[in-house]
Amino acid sequence: DVKVTQSSRYLVKRTGEKVFLECVQDMDHENMFWYRQDPGLGLRLIYFSYDVKMKEKGDIPEGYSVSREKKERFSLILESASTNQTSMYLCATKPRTDSTEAFFGQGTRLTVV
Amino acid sequence: GQNIDQPTEMTATEGAIVQINCTYQTSGFNGLFWYQQHAGEAPTFLSYNVLDGLEEKGRFSSFLSRSKGYSYLLLKELQMKDSASYLCAVRDRSDSWGKFQFGAGTQVVVTP
Repeated sequence: DVKVTQSSRYLVKRTGEKVFLECVQDMDHENMFWYRQDPGLGLRLIYFSYDVKMKEKGDIPEGYSVSREKKERFSLILESASTNQTSMYLCATKPRTDSTEAFFGQGTRLTVV
Repeated sequence: GQNIDQPTEMTATEGAIVQINCTYQTSGFNGLFWYQQHAGEAPTFLSYNVLDGLEEKGRFSSFLSRSKGYSYLLLKELQMKDSASYLCAVRDRSDSWGKFQFGAGTQVVVTP
């Protein structure tokens, strides 16, 4: 069974804090993605990684960074959290670039106060 | 990039049929996907269309017309558990990384 695990389901952080969201997959997938999901806007791509130590900016990378030191783990970092980063964050993986199906984690609902 | 449009919400009765439309604009179409997302849960893959026509999978079918930039997801014999958000996503050939662009999702409400 495919498994994508996000470290927290719910998180509350203060403005200005550094926040780490972790995503771990056990399927040896090459591609990993971080999306945020907001009402009326759908899923928007923040960053993705096509291999270890490789990363590419998505559509809305501002205010975020990522790290992929090991194949199974992809971290999203909010350097200085702001209230407009309150959102649902979803991690996804794909076996390879040409794969058709993506597998999603359960999501982390982050509230920045 | 791609512009993807789908209705915000649809309501239907248990046992009925609902059709969720999705229109898109892309410079180099390379596949359309439908995902289902129940409230508070992860999206799960439903279907993939890259050629014109209808793909049937049990109670769910997905149709694609590349010339019209149009797809629909058909849900037959609706059940209460089908109440969820349905996400249309498109992949563009110009994107060498095979990323998906998602629509905002259609919330389907199934009533008794």
